[in-house]
Amino acid sequence: QQPVQSPQAVILREGEDAVINCSSSKALYSVHWYRQKHGEAPVFLMILLKGGEQKGHEKISASFNEKKQQSSLYLTASQLSYSGTYFCGTERKETSGSRLTFGEGTQLTVNP
Amino acid sequence: EPEVTQTPSHQVTQMGQEVILRCVPISNHLYFYWYRQILGQKVEFLVSFYNNEISEKSEIFDDQFSVERPDGSNFTLKIRSTKLEDSAMYFCASSVDRGSRYEQYFGPGTRLTVT
Repeated sequence: QQPVQSPQAVILREGEDAVINCSSSKALYSVHWYRQKHGEAPVFLMILLKGGEQKGHEKISASFNEKKQQSSLYLTASQLSYSGTYFCGTERKETSGSRLTFGEGTQLTVNP
Repeated sequence: EPEVTQTPSHQVTQMGQEVILRCVPISNHLYFYWYRQILGQKVEFLVSFYNNEISEKSEIFDDQFSVERPDGSNFTLKIRSTKLEDSAMYFCASSVDRGSRYEQYFGPGTRLTVT
């Protein structure tokens, strides 16, 4: 069952912040975040594991609330290079084929 | 920095033909995957491969699909008799091991066009 991402699209001006949400109706073990630019491969951003952890990566950070079965990606002081489609990939089992089920994506556009 | 490579970058084939998509995972990685992405849609899992056998496969991965690791470096996806709906970008990915804590690195993809 695929996770649900919101919003579907967001347009920002450079320097503005954004939050992208990813939620599941089933219990999750991990959430993986990727960014994909048009015509390119998804690029790994970060993994969040069960346990309510938060992670940071420059001005991009994320949280994982296992009780609510959701994760949020925070982009602060956005840069033009942040433009792209953000996907969350979720995994429900701790040991498995590491199959990631991706959401539909959130298209982020950062304008000057 | 090590990366996953894929060949060809673009493959055009006629319906009913067999295609083989090739991938070279990152050298010390043990776990391999194929995903596909139909234009404008989300990335979909096809299959994972570990220790020379399929670890998990999706509903999409039917009898027309097969994977192989013919030697120590290549990982291939074969589609026996292509259909129009197989047109998509196919991504190979690899991770150092299995388990949720290991990130999956994606290759640049092969765009498959079935006419």
